Amino acid sequence: DSGVTQTPKHLITATGQRVTLRCSPRSGDLSVYWYQQSLDQGLQFLIQYYNGEERAKGNILERFSAQQFPDLHSELNLSSLELGDSALYFCASSLSGTKAGELFFGEGSRLTVL
Amino acid sequence: GESVGLHLPTLSVQEGDNSIINCAYSNSASDYFIWYKQESGKGPQFIIDIRSNMDKRQGQRVTVLLNKTVKHLSLQIAATQPGDSAVYFCAEKDLAGNKLTFGGGTRVLVKP
Repeated sequence: DSGVTQTPKHLITATGQRVTLRCSPRSGDLSVYWYQQSLDQGLQFLIQYYNGEERAKGNILERFSAQQFPDLHSELNLSSLELGDSALYFCASSLSGTKAGELFFGEGSRLTVL
Repeated sequence: GESVGLHLPTLSVQEGDNSIINCAYSNSASDYFIWYKQESGKGPQFIIDIRSNMDKRQGQRVTVLLNKTVKHLSLQIAATQPGDSAVYFCAEKDLAGNKLTFGGGTRVLVKP
């Protein structure tokens, strides 16, 4: 158990809908990262937050947004969903946002868009 | 599991043999590298890391080798066990350290 909690574990929805994925980092970790894992693209970095502030942005679509709350949990919002958004969405956390160090990953949220 | 469907290169290895997984990275500015293991239905799990000022680091049954000249990283697993069956990802971090960029992954299948 990595200590990172993600909910829901599985989510099935329709095209055009909006969903919110939730992540609770390990106790004491200030930084949260979101990654997307689809069949043909491996693990793609989406966005990083550190202590409530956006720190780095990757290949995140404009239809997607995220935030980190004062209690350090994070939410990833996916809107106007398309079939191609079906993927595993991982959250990871680390103590620091910049120093080298391992990321601890949650078990992922499996999104299926029908 | 979710990673099973990935179209990945596969390494089949006999139980007890050594495994070598290779990874090429592209960013010469990367100064920190990590190997992750992802078992079916789970998130990636840290195995071992190495900084760019080193060329070798050993852990328990695993060794990571870094060749900065050709931007190549490898993971060696000694005496491979059935529990080593998983997808292995290398990841690199740039000097700013703000994100971890993952390679495409290699599936390791251990034959009994």
